[in-house]
Amino acid sequence: QVQLQESGPGLVKTSQTLSLTCTVSGGSISSGNYYWSWIRQPPGKGLEWIGYIDYSESSYYNPSLKSRVTISIDTSKNQFFLRLSSVTAADTAVYYCARSPWELAYFDNWGHGTLVTVSS
Amino acid sequence: DIVMTQSPDSLAVSLGERATVNCKSSQSVLYSSNNKNYLAWYQQKPGQPPKLLIYWASTRASGVPDRFSGSGSGTDFTLTISSLQAEDVAVYYCQQYYSTDDPTFGQGTKLEIK
Repeated sequence: QVQLQESGPGLVKTSQTLSLTCTVSGGSISSGNYYWSWIRQPPGKGLEWIGYIDYSESSYYNPSLKSRVTISIDTSKNQFFLRLSSVTAADTAVYYCARSPWELAYFDNWGHGTLVTVSS
Repeated sequence: DIVMTQSPDSLAVSLGERATVNCKSSQSVLYSSNNKNYLAWYQQKPGQPPKLLIYWASTRASGVPDRFSGSGSGTDFTLTISSLQAEDVAVYYCQQYYSTDDPTFGQGTKLEIK
């Protein structure tokens, strides 16, 4: 049974870069059958898709965040990563990593999420 | 982008009664080549990640009780809980994946016990 786990700093300073890791266990991230996504949820608010990557390192980003987002993957470590630059308080959120079936973009498996607070 | 609008924002239903959540997309999410609606529903309980309930607008995900059902086509969709149980208290989200490179969620509907 595939499990996803987010990790990274819980506090990031304004204007700096947020960096998170998602570790996938119980299955290979390079199987080619899935997209690997980041999704966020500000406290008390709704869900926002950030972007996803596949095993070949093809990535797709939310147009509203595209200029600040990079998602990468390390198949040897079964991990994928999020970098969000120039953060502000508006980027404070629970960040989830999630899995989608290949060429579809609904999310059938989620990590537990990690809260990242942006503060000066 | 495709805007998803849910109604109501919150609702309270008695145990054992039917609960209905509506979702409207700003453009059709029905793909004509395969006649499938690219619409999913999620349940999120406090402190937990969302859980996939329904995809293809009406296909229940593995392990989802059959009191949950999805219906609709094109731009108008409904999630129905046929007989509300206490464990169904949650926020429910719809999501379109018609735009594979820009999936979007509704704002959520909070379901409580009356």
